[in-house]
Amino acid sequence: GAGVSQTPSNKVTEKGKYVELRCDPISGHTALYWYRQSLGQGPEFLIYFQGTGAADDSGLPNDRFFAVRPEGSVSTLKIQRTERGDSAVYLCASSENSGTSGYEQYFGPGTRLTVT
Amino acid sequence: AQSVAQPEDQVNVAEGNPLTVKCTYSVSGNPYLFWYVQYPNRGLQFLLKYITGDNLVKGSYGFEAEFNKSQTSFHLKKPSALVSDSALYFCAVRDLNTGGFKTIFGAGTRLFVKA
Repeated sequence: GAGVSQTPSNKVTEKGKYVELRCDPISGHTALYWYRQSLGQGPEFLIYFQGTGAADDSGLPNDRFFAVRPEGSVSTLKIQRTERGDSAVYLCASSENSGTSGYEQYFGPGTRLTVT
Repeated sequence: AQSVAQPEDQVNVAEGNPLTVKCTYSVSGNPYLFWYVQYPNRGLQFLLKYITGDNLVKGSYGFEAEFNKSQTSFHLKKPSALVSDSALYFCAVRDLNTGGFKTIFGAGTRLFVKA
C-alpha cells in the first residue's frame, strides 16, 4: 500500500514568510508525528497527534509553529514569520499505536525547508 | 527526561565481519526501544523494536539487538556485515511511564562497510 507522503519535497522561502508543509499518513494510522532533522542530527520531536487532537506538542520550539489534523488524517505543519534557523528537513511519520502493533513509525521522505 | 546516546559518530567494519552499533538510553520508567536506518536519499525505515519479553530481538536484513536493562543499553548487531548495510542508523526510545508517545532519537551513527 501507499506509504507516508509529504509535500512539497522542497520549499525555499524568504525570511519572514509563512509556510505550510503537508503530510498524508498511511491509511488507517491514527497516530501522526512531526519531527525536524538538521544536518548531522537525529530527528527532533515536534508534535504528536492521536486522531484529530494534538496529544503532545511539547516539542514545538515556539508559537510560530503550529500543526493541525482536522479530520484525523492529513496534517499540516504551519510556520509563521520564518527564520533562517528554521531551515531543516521536516519529517512526518505515522503509526498504528495499538496494543498489538508495537508503535513503530513509518516515515515520509521529508520536506526540505530553506529559509533565505 | 528521556534521552538517547549513540557514542560513536561512525563505525567502520570490513564486509563479512560482525558489526555493533551502540546505544544507551535514559528513561524514568520502562522503555520502548527502536532502531531505524536511513539510506542515502531515502526516508527513515524501521529495523526492529523491543517492547517486552525476550531481551534479544531480531529485525529486518539480519539485524538484531539486545536489551540490557542493568546497563540501559540497546546495541544493534549483525553477525556478518554487507557493503549494502552502509547507512545512517538511529536509536530511539519512548518512556511508557510518561503515558505519552513522545519518541526521542539519538544523533545517529554512520556505518561504513568496506568491501
